[in-house]
Amino acid sequence: DADVTQTPRNRITKTGKRIMLECSQTKGHDRMYWYRQDPGLGLRLIYYSFDVKDINKGEISDGYSVSRQAQAKFSLSLESAIPNQTALYFCATSDFGVPGSGTGELFFGEGSRLTVL
Amino acid sequence: ELKVEQNPLFLSMQEGKNYTIYCNYSTTSDRLYWYRQDPGKSLESLFVLLSNGAVKQEGRLMASLDTKARLSTLHITAAVHDLSATYFCAVEGGGADGLTFGKGTHLIIQP
Repeated sequence: DADVTQTPRNRITKTGKRIMLECSQTKGHDRMYWYRQDPGLGLRLIYYSFDVKDINKGEISDGYSVSRQAQAKFSLSLESAIPNQTALYFCATSDFGVPGSGTGELFFGEGSRLTVL
Repeated sequence: ELKVEQNPLFLSMQEGKNYTIYCNYSTTSDRLYWYRQDPGKSLESLFVLLSNGAVKQEGRLMASLDTKARLSTLHITAAVHDLSATYFCAVEGGGADGLTFGKGTHLIIQP
């Protein structure tokens, strides 16, 4: 099983609908991230969390919200989806701060492809 | 604001040739990462460079970091078709936590 698991992997929804993307990890990392990938734009940071009580906005947080339900779970919500939120979304964890091995490297889930019609 | 620029953004090359992808970044950072992404797939970590002068090699790929020049290179030696993918560099820093990514280099290696 993957260390970072995202659900759903694919989702088609309509404008105005609420959608939640879920992420769970078994790596034991405290830091978790949500990125968005658009063709030709690379990955852009939406939100990140250092622990369940620490949530921070990234570069493009407008229109999104997150919830850190536990160390292992970090969810991304679109309260009212719009077509320009059509993208590939990645959840990631970081080993930053892990004693003896933390390099700040990101470990990615398989991605959630969201289409908003 | 941290900016990360890769070039070229698109590269088509023949098998057996050598080439270099460049990654420039705009603010001081000592940590740089290279990732590979195959079409429709996730990002796979290739190299973690944690200090000035760091050099890492894996097979036909070699990455280096010059923090004073704010430049990292990913060198491909004697390219093979299996190296066709999109390569991203990412830099730590820029205010927010997490990594700031370049736009990626889409590499096609033709037989």
